Amino acid sequence: AQTVTQSQPEMSVQEAETVTLSCTYDTSESDYYLFWYKQPPSRQMILVIRQEAYKQQNATENRFSVNFQKAAKSFSLKISDSQLGDAAMYFCGGSQGNLIFGKGTKLSVKP
Amino acid sequence: EAGVAQSPRYKIIEKRQSVAFWCNPISGHATLYWYQQILGQGPKLLIQFQNNGVVDDSQLPKDRFSAERLKGVDSTLKIQPAKLEDSAVYLCASSLGTSNSETQYFGPGTRLLVL
Repeated sequence: AQTVTQSQPEMSVQEAETVTLSCTYDTSESDYYLFWYKQPPSRQMILVIRQEAYKQQNATENRFSVNFQKAAKSFSLKISDSQLGDAAMYFCGGSQGNLIFGKGTKLSVKP
Repeated sequence: EAGVAQSPRYKIIEKRQSVAFWCNPISGHATLYWYQQILGQGPKLLIQFQNNGVVDDSQLPKDRFSAERLKGVDSTLKIQPAKLEDSAVYLCASSLGTSNSETQYFGPGTRLLVL
């Protein structure tokens, strides 16, 4: 069985600042992939970043980066230089076959 | 490239009625997913198709939900009869293949309210 836990229902960040969203992924498998998806209000979910569990190097996509600590089952998302357009629900997900999502973190960006 | 299309965008029905949702995936995507997203939760997979075959429907309430993907392209998800707890957003997604690493592309969803 696999479980995804996002312990922060809501987070807030000042524009241009950095924010970190937390996620834990519990599984007994060694081969899996982790994802962060963004769901803006009334818009579709889009992939933000993806991490392969077997890779030690943390994934980076422009202002978005992850801190993957496999032993601690931690997969956090760091957003640097936050922009107003980053305001959205962020869902962490893990896949060993089927993609399982956490409950999400609502991110607000203050101008 | 056109994204995943879904219709209708909104639907209001009374309990015990039936409803159907339609999804058109990205052209060339072999895998299609239907998710249920209840308010305040993350999406939960209902059913996964590869081409026109079912890969996983373990979480589909088969007594009232059904889905098909004829010809391996468009798909429909049906609920009959609907219950109050079926109120949710129904998301369709597609991906090129079925690998764990595949990026899933989501449609805008259909918001269902059951009264």
